[in-house]
Amino acid sequence: EIVLTQSPAILSLSPGERATLSCRASQSVTNYLAWYQQKPGQAPRLLIYDASKRATGIPARFSGSGSGTDFTLTISSLEPEDFAMYYCQQRSKWPPEGLTFGGGTKVEIK
Amino acid sequence: EVQLLESGGGLVQPGGSLRLSCAASGFTFSSYGMNWVRQAPGKGLEWVSGIMGSGDNTYNADSVKGRFTISRDTSKNTLYLQMNSLRAEDTAVYYCAKDFDPGVTTRYFDSWGQGTLVTVSS
Repeated sequence: EIVLTQSPAILSLSPGERATLSCRASQSVTNYLAWYQQKPGQAPRLLIYDASKRATGIPARFSGSGSGTDFTLTISSLEPEDFAMYYCQQRSKWPPEGLTFGGGTKVEIK
Repeated sequence: EVQLLESGGGLVQPGGSLRLSCAASGFTFSSYGMNWVRQAPGKGLEWVSGIMGSGDNTYNADSVKGRFTISRDTSKNTLYLQMNSLRAEDTAVYYCAKDFDPGVTTRYFDSWGQGTLVTVSS
């Protein structure tokens, strides 16, 4: 099983600041990596897929980068609605039983 | 607009069974793979099961293999999860989630339901 390790667990920042979230895979996932945002009491929302492609309707302040084992989600300037949990997810191999999520990073208001 | 509406959650005793449903609308249901993803209280996300758009192939996480069965009824645009031999560790909010790409099963999920809570306790 491919393990995804997200860091930091908690990121305390102020609105307007830049957020940099990390996701490291225990083995290469090529670029088959996604990022999701989840707010309390809500379902996750797909932000980024294939490591760097923004999903429909996602603002340009969200960007993803990386390949292989190291990936980054960057929020260029935090808006009040961006304070939430963020999860990375991979499914690089077939069959799909190997699909895994990272443990999450909470972006909180400083 | 894609809508996914789960139902069927509730309180069940260990060893019991429950069937979850997910009513889908706003897209061509038979063209997309569908999945169940769960989240234990205060914990992260865990993929549970997936099914191809055709329904021909299903996939299950090791943690539920042999106990949970995913299925779909295209005539009703509905996804199901039959859960047997339930354990305390199956307690979670269960989300149904639509595949992002109609050509690729269970890779990314672009639409999610609001979730239904399953509690396994005596």
